[in-house]
Amino acid sequence: KAGVTQTPRYLIKTRGQQVTLSCSPISGHRSVSWYQQTPGQGLQFLFEYFSETQRNKGNFPGRFSGRQFSNSRSEMNVSTLELGDSALYLCASSLQGVDTGELFFGEGSRLTVL
Amino acid sequence: KQEVTQIPAALSVPEGENLVLNCSFTDSAIYNLQWFRQDPGKGLTSLLLIQSSQREQTSGRLNASLDKSSGRSTLYIAASQPGDSATYLCAARTGGGNKLTFGTGTQLKVEL
Repeated sequence: KAGVTQTPRYLIKTRGQQVTLSCSPISGHRSVSWYQQTPGQGLQFLFEYFSETQRNKGNFPGRFSGRQFSNSRSEMNVSTLELGDSALYLCASSLQGVDTGELFFGEGSRLTVL
Repeated sequence: KQEVTQIPAALSVPEGENLVLNCSFTDSAIYNLQWFRQDPGKGLTSLLLIQSSQREQTSGRLNASLDKSSGRSTLYIAASQPGDSATYLCAARTGGGNKLTFGTGTQLKVEL
């Protein structure tokens, strides 16, 4: 059974550009959440989608956005990139979409902003 | 606001030793607590999930306990091996949805 798949794994962008990251959850999982990991701030919650609806949102500026498709695949977008957006972006999926399910993470997309 | 702390930040032990990693959280109204392992440059691997109604969970050489009243969880690793070397993270789920609040992790090194 395939795990959570994130693409691309690595990417380099320059300030001011925008980026789109993709996440395919484990088959049958309907909840997808996104996290940012940096050495200084650790792991921080970005947002969560369940059945194509955003359920939760973390404390990030509006430049960070996401969406979920009918097949549960999700994308996140960061516009007007800043140096501080350099991070490992992790996607997690969960079967139940309720408050007790186990989260499974992908390998992440490492973004470098120059 | 939930805050999660992990002590120690780093730990180095000889192979074969039993060890305990600590996780503290400020809001005891959690739904569950999950322990993860992260290898350098990799994603997170789920180790154990403890629901709020449970006291402990076991998987192989790993045992995690949860004490909601004191805001603590521990991860016990028996007979440590070099392959256990990684960063261990705990995360608490508070409130609706799949929003996790993570600790800063304990970086474990098991030496031959």
